[in-house]
Amino acid sequence: NAGVTQTPKFQVLKTGQSMTLQCAQDMNHEYMSWYRQDPGMGLRLIHYSVGAGITDQGEVPNGYNVSRSTTEDFPLRLLSAAPSQTSVYFCASSIGQGGNTGELFFGEGSRLTVL
Amino acid sequence: AQKITQTQPGMFVQEKEAVTLDCTYDTSDPSYGLFWYKQPSSGEMIFLIYQGSYDQQNATEGRYSLNFQKARKSANLVISASQLGDSAMYFCAMGKDQGAQKLVFGQGTRLTINP
Repeated sequence: NAGVTQTPKFQVLKTGQSMTLQCAQDMNHEYMSWYRQDPGMGLRLIHYSVGAGITDQGEVPNGYNVSRSTTEDFPLRLLSAAPSQTSVYFCASSIGQGGNTGELFFGEGSRLTVL
Repeated sequence: AQKITQTQPGMFVQEKEAVTLDCTYDTSDPSYGLFWYKQPSSGEMIFLIYQGSYDQQNATEGRYSLNFQKARKSANLVISASQLGDSAMYFCAMGKDQGAQKLVFGQGTRLTINP
């Protein structure tokens, strides 16, 4: 009964370092996405994927890369971390496109601090 | 572009009272879905309720109901008989085609239930 699993839950980086936030879901969901949540703001979409091999940009994609080689996994890469990327990151998935697809299932979040 | 507005940064309510959290939305799409999520202090995102743009009746889930007024573009969340455990951040969100993809979130309302 894992749902959406994110790792790590906490990470501290120095400016310029790179890292990958991992996300895996075991619900066979076609759609996966990454959001960031900053204090006083709602969640903002970074990147999303509608299936293996297909990704697209969301509202705030700069500084982040994604790939989707399998249905289960959707990692988020920070190529050169900046203090502005200090945030809480959420991975989320749902069953697919079109019509009432039900809820968006969220991971527990990953808190990233860039010094 | 879709937009969600939550005008109440904070709400304080006595335990057992009903509370209404406001949400207005803006979209030119005829087909959309409206969601409410709860985020307790522990940080996870908990799905509460969903309303499709073509649904004729207001959605209800236990103590939660969604007051959907399409002409006014509002989707207020009503919590009946509030409990101390309802204290949390509440986010309204909108997705295209009645689905949960590419959800756009409001800034949230912090609800505090007083004993």
